[in-house]
Amino acid sequence: EAGVTQFPSHSVIEKGQTVTLRCDPISGHDNLYWYRRVMGKEIKFLLHFVKESKQDESGMPNNRFLAERTGGTYSTLKVQPAELEDSGVYFCASSQTVWGLNEKLFFGSGTQLSVL
Amino acid sequence: GENVEQHPSTLSVQEGDSAVIKCTYSDSASNYFPWYKQELGKRPQLIIDIRSNVGEKKDQRIAVTLNKTAKHFSLHITETQPEDSAVYFCAASRGNTDKLIFGTGTRLQVFP
Repeated sequence: EAGVTQFPSHSVIEKGQTVTLRCDPISGHDNLYWYRRVMGKEIKFLLHFVKESKQDESGMPNNRFLAERTGGTYSTLKVQPAELEDSGVYFCASSQTVWGLNEKLFFGSGTQLSVL
Repeated sequence: GENVEQHPSTLSVQEGDSAVIKCTYSDSASNYFPWYKQELGKRPQLIIDIRSNVGEKKDQRIAVTLNKTAKHFSLHITETQPEDSAVYFCAASRGNTDKLIFGTGTRLQVFP
C-alpha cells in the first residue's frame, strides 16, 4: 500500500515568493491534516480536511496560508507571500474514520521549507 | 489553549538500559494518546497509543502508562537498542478525528 506522499521534499525560496506544497494521502482516507514543525519545537496543527471540507482550520497562522483539497483527494498548501518565519518542516497526515473513532494517523515524510 | 509538555528534551542511555519519556497534557477532555517515533530523515511513525479507558498498554519492549487524574502519560522502553535512537513525540487529542496536540519531542540516543 502506498503511503502518504509529499512533494517537494525540500524547497528553498526567497522572502516574498510563493510556494505550493502538495500532499497525496493514502487512498480511501477521508481525513487529511497539515502540521508544521519549526526547528526544535512541537509539531503544530495547521488544519484538518474531511474529504473536501475544512473541518478545522484553527491552526492556520494567517491569511498568507491557503489550503485546498478539491475533489477530496490530494491537497495543496500555498504560502503567499512567504516570510522568514514560515521556514520549517510541513507534514501531511491522513487517517480513516471507523465507527466514529480516529484511526492511526499516517504521516508523510514532510516538506522542508526554507525562506531566505 | 491546549498544550502538551514533554520531558526530557534529550536522553542518552547505554544499550540494554531503560528509557522513560514523560508528558503532561492540559485538556481534561483528551482521551487518545499516541506516541510517534521519527528516525533521522524519515517520517514520524506511530509506535504505540492508549485510550483513556486503559491505564497501561504494552507491546514487546515498549509500554505506555496513563494517569488521567494527574494528566500524565509516559513511554517506557526496556532493553534499549541502538535502533531505538530517534526523536519521540507524544500527543493528545479528544479522540474521534480531532487534531493531535504534540509535545516538543525527545531525542533519544542509545549508545552501544
